[in-house]
Amino acid sequence: DTAVSQTPKYLVTQMGNDKSIKCEQNLGHDTMYWYKQDSKKFLKIMFSYNNKELIINETVPNRFSPKSPDKAHLNLHINSLELGDSAVYFCASSQGRGWNQPQHFGDGTRLSIL
Amino acid sequence: DAKTTQPNSMESNEEEPVHLPCNHSTISGTDYIHWYRQLPSQGPEYVIHGLTSNVNNRMASLAIAEDRKSSTLILHRATLRDAAVYYCILRDSQNTGNQFYFGTGTSLTVIP
Repeated sequence: DTAVSQTPKYLVTQMGNDKSIKCEQNLGHDTMYWYKQDSKKFLKIMFSYNNKELIINETVPNRFSPKSPDKAHLNLHINSLELGDSAVYFCASSQGRGWNQPQHFGDGTRLSIL
Repeated sequence: DAKTTQPNSMESNEEEPVHLPCNHSTISGTDYIHWYRQLPSQGPEYVIHGLTSNVNNRMASLAIAEDRKSSTLILHRATLRDAAVYYCILRDSQNTGNQFYFGTGTSLTVIP
């Protein structure tokens, strides 16, 4: 059973489009995250939800909007996609909201903007 | 987060122990040492973490130097499935931003 699953794995789309990435975890964790990975291997936090409540909202363009319908799901919607949005986006979950909790990652969504 | 230094690559024979070193000479007193590993086209996988004392779990052991300026991840019996890039990461207890700087890591090759 996949613990943290993201869909789609690959997403190729044109500039200006709106797209969504879905994430689900079956670990019973109460905290979920979205990270953006740039080419330098740096995973930058974008958002974090704890029990459906937004707890981390880093400086991210408001074209990015997370949505957590329940604590097992955290989706990411992106409006008006730009070339600079091309990256790998990782979803993760942890038990508890502490920075020190081990995090379980999905396999990433590779977003390419044409 | 403080920086870490790891060898770019290491090799091990299957079923032999592997010691993966990490230097973190600028570690602060509130930094925890985390290890993750990653296979191509997969997400990072948590391996182990610790603060001062050595730690053991079902995947590996973590040996932390007394001055905390270095640590070693120990895989007791390497298997082919352990071939991955291993990242040593420092995470600050004061950092609520939950950033992960993976750096370049150590690419472990396991020889059958």
